[in-house]
Formats: sequence, structure tokens, C-alpha cells
Amino acid sequence: QSVLTQPPSASGTPGQRVTISCSGSGSNIGSNSVNWYMQLPGTAPRLLIYSDKQRPSGAPARFSGSRSGASASLAISGLQSEDEADYYCSTWDDSLKGVLFGGGTRLTVL
Amino acid sequence: DVLLVESGGVVVQPGGSLRLSCEAFGFIFEDYTMHWVRQVPGKGPEWVSLITWDGGISNYADSVKGRFTIFRDNSKNSLYLQMNSLRSEDTALYYCAKEGSGWRNFDYWGQGTPVTVSS
Repeated sequence: QSVLTQPPSASGTPGQRVTISCSGSGSNIGSNSVNWYMQLPGTAPRLLIYSDKQRPSGAPARFSGSRSGASASLAISGLQSEDEADYYCSTWDDSLKGVLFGGGTRLTVL
Repeated sequence: DVLLVESGGVVVQPGGSLRLSCEAFGFIFEDYTMHWVRQVPGKGPEWVSLITWDGGISNYADSVKGRFTIFRDNSKNSLYLQMNSLRSEDTALYYCAKEGSGWRNFDYWGQGTPVTVSS
């Protein structure tokens, strides 16, 4: 059971907008910025969003992030088939003094 | 281009020890905090440990505290993880990761090195 809670699955059709949620508590998401990773099978996770809403170089503009209180969200607009992957939220926890990952959300493009 | 190359993963018996290495290329290694993250196939990533640029601060996940030690040699652009008292639950793919902009995120990952703890 992860400290950061994500829905295990999400789905959408090409072109649709999909959001993935990540819920935590005051010691983690409530106090620290959130990062999002995308992982394709057999590869290392790839940073998609950092500091709640910043995109690193190379991350497509259709990915966006937000944080409010102890929750965060990743939004994917204009869904594409290549977006089918596992998505993980992550943040620092002040009490544990460590990095946490959510349990992951498997996105299926129908 | 940034490249992180892990090595040292093998099959080891419970209670045994192992040292993982990660050699870094393409960036000023001594300027960055570095991390170890592990992942069991089919499961999500689990953060293991971090070490600041100068080795002055290190943190560990509760699951490995007291058994694992992270250290670095900036003269060799290398990061290490000394793993002692290994348990079956330490079996995973171990990634070396570079910290990016912002706070405690990972902008570059290695390809991982597999560790199997089994008798």
C-alpha cells in the first residue's frame, strides 16, 4: 500500500483528455512539489513533469501537472496511442525524509 | 549526452553482501545529488537512498536503513551502494538516477542492474 494513492488504471480514446490523480498528506504533497514519471515496458521511468507543473526538455506540451493541497494531478490532452504506459507520481516526505512514489496508474488508449 | 551505467548486480544468498556501482558521463558529476531507486518487475519504483553532491548528507528508505550505505567518489564520477545483510525482498532492478531541477526528482536514469537474493 503506497503512501501516495493513484487509481490503478485509466483509459481514453485518441484525442481525448485524461487526468490521473495522486493523493497524499500534509507531510508529502501538502508540503513539497510533485513530479510525474512515465514508464514504458522494459525501460526506465522517464521524467514527465517536475515541480508540480514544469516540463523538462523533450516532454510533450500535451502533458500538464497541477497541485492543490495534498493532491496533485497529471493531465494528458490530445491522447495518443504512444501515451499508453504506466504513470507514477512522486514527492519528498518531510516526516520519512525520503522520496515517495505512488502505486502507479496504467493508462490504456482504447 | 548524460549517461549512467550501473554494474555489480548478481545472484547472492540471503545474508550476503554486494556492492553496486554507477559511472556517470556527460555532466559535472560533483555538482549533483545522486540517488538509487529499485523496482521489482511488475511493481512501481521504490526510492532507496540519496547522497548530496559532496557526500555530506545521505538518506535512506526505512526498508534498507542500517543495511545499505551509499557513497560516491567524485574523482571517478562514480556512485556506489554497499548492500549488506541482504534479504529476499531486496530482489529488484536497481537504478542509479541523477537529481534534476526542482526538488528530489530524477531527470536521468541508468539502465539498471539486477539483484537477486536467493538461496
